[in-house]
Amino acid sequence: KQEVTQIPAALSVPEGENLVLNCSFTDSAIYNLQWFRQDPGKGLTSLLLIQSSQREQTSGRLNASLDKSSGRSTLYIAASQPGDSATYLCAVVTGNQFYFGTGTSLTVIP
Amino acid sequence: NAGVTQTPKFRILKIGQSMTLQCTQDMNHNYMYWYRQDPGMGLKLIYYSVGAGITDKGEVPNGYNVSRSTTEDFPLRLELAAPSQTSVYFCASTETGVQPQHFGDGTRLSIL
Repeated sequence: KQEVTQIPAALSVPEGENLVLNCSFTDSAIYNLQWFRQDPGKGLTSLLLIQSSQREQTSGRLNASLDKSSGRSTLYIAASQPGDSATYLCAVVTGNQFYFGTGTSLTVIP
Repeated sequence: NAGVTQTPKFRILKIGQSMTLQCTQDMNHNYMYWYRQDPGMGLKLIYYSVGAGITDKGEVPNGYNVSRSTTEDFPLRLELAAPSQTSVYFCASTETGVQPQHFGDGTRLSIL
């Protein structure tokens, strides 16, 4: 069974700092890996999708990398802003199912 | 675009009652999913559907039922509500099953 872990569970950084969120998974037989953002009381918003054959994807200040063989992904956020405060979840797709991590709660302090 | 719409947003049930959580999407997506999210936990898949008339169990299907009579709608039914089913329920859809999922805003369900 696929297990997805995210470390740290919570992170607090001053505005402007670059930061890295980590995601690890136990079964490397994945179709893709996705990063989501969840604001309080809201559903999830897709940020980046990395296909299993890719190494990284970029969108604005966000960069996600994937090392399938080691079962790891990172989400890099450059020049963090208070508006980035949210919970970030990663999910891996195996078969027809998505397996989610428990998320990293990020607080960016002005 | 409405995207994925869930109703109701909040509900309180008594133990043993039943209810249906509604989910509708207007993107003509074939794949639809139901998740539950407990405090401090990730999302757990309850049921999913790859098209009208086709459903399958996820990780935590016990106590729930689904149907998919149309592409747009994917209701989730709780037959005999139990306190362990207190959670936030999310519905999601995607076009091909491996593309980004679109989520609704969730239904917050408390069972007392």
